[in-house]
Amino acid sequence: AQTVTQSQPEMSVQEAETVTLSCTYDTSENNYYLFWYKQPPSRQMILVIRQEAYKQQNATENRFSVNFQKAAKSFSLKISDSQLGDTAMYFCALYSYFGNEKLTFGTGTRLTIIP
Amino acid sequence: GAVVSQHPSRVICKSGTSVKIECRSLDFQATTMFWYRQFPKQSLMLMATSNEGSKATYEQGVEKDKFLINHASLTLSTLTVTSAHPEDSSFYICSAPDRDNYGYTFGSGTRLTVV
Repeated sequence: AQTVTQSQPEMSVQEAETVTLSCTYDTSENNYYLFWYKQPPSRQMILVIRQEAYKQQNATENRFSVNFQKAAKSFSLKISDSQLGDTAMYFCALYSYFGNEKLTFGTGTRLTIIP
Repeated sequence: GAVVSQHPSRVICKSGTSVKIECRSLDFQATTMFWYRQFPKQSLMLMATSNEGSKATYEQGVEKDKFLINHASLTLSTLTVTSAHPEDSSFYICSAPDRDNYGYTFGSGTRLTVV
């Protein structure tokens, strides 16, 4: 069975600062994808960033980057120069080829950016 | 990119009535649709997986007779909450694999309130 753990239920940071959200996972598969999704107050799920497990290079998308440690099964999200619009729930998720395409979600981290 | 349109966004119904939620893939064929339920401040809980032309697969503990899922075409999947009760009040979200981009696209969600 696959599991995703987010150990930080809530975090807050001042605007323009950097924040890191933690995520650990467990899977017996070797080929999988990891995602960070953002759910703002509108509750629309928005893809923030994606990492393919076979790639050693950490994914980056503008102010968002990940620290992917495959051996440690860790996948943290770093948000640089945080903005008020970053306030949202953030979910880490895992997909493996042999999991019937199901996404396994973590419990989420509620991030608040303080003006 | 792939878009899933979900309707209605909000619905209020009386106890004992049925409510249908629709998810349409607008620019791609969604042979698979995932249906989630989300309680306030919690993660997404997978309820069932629908596949076009076949019976839906329900997760353990989900009543298939209460949550009827139909996936009659490559672009439409529906979730019908039958004989709704106040405890069925929740946020329901659909999602389809975006296989071209190794990701998922989510509907905008439906807030169901049963009174």
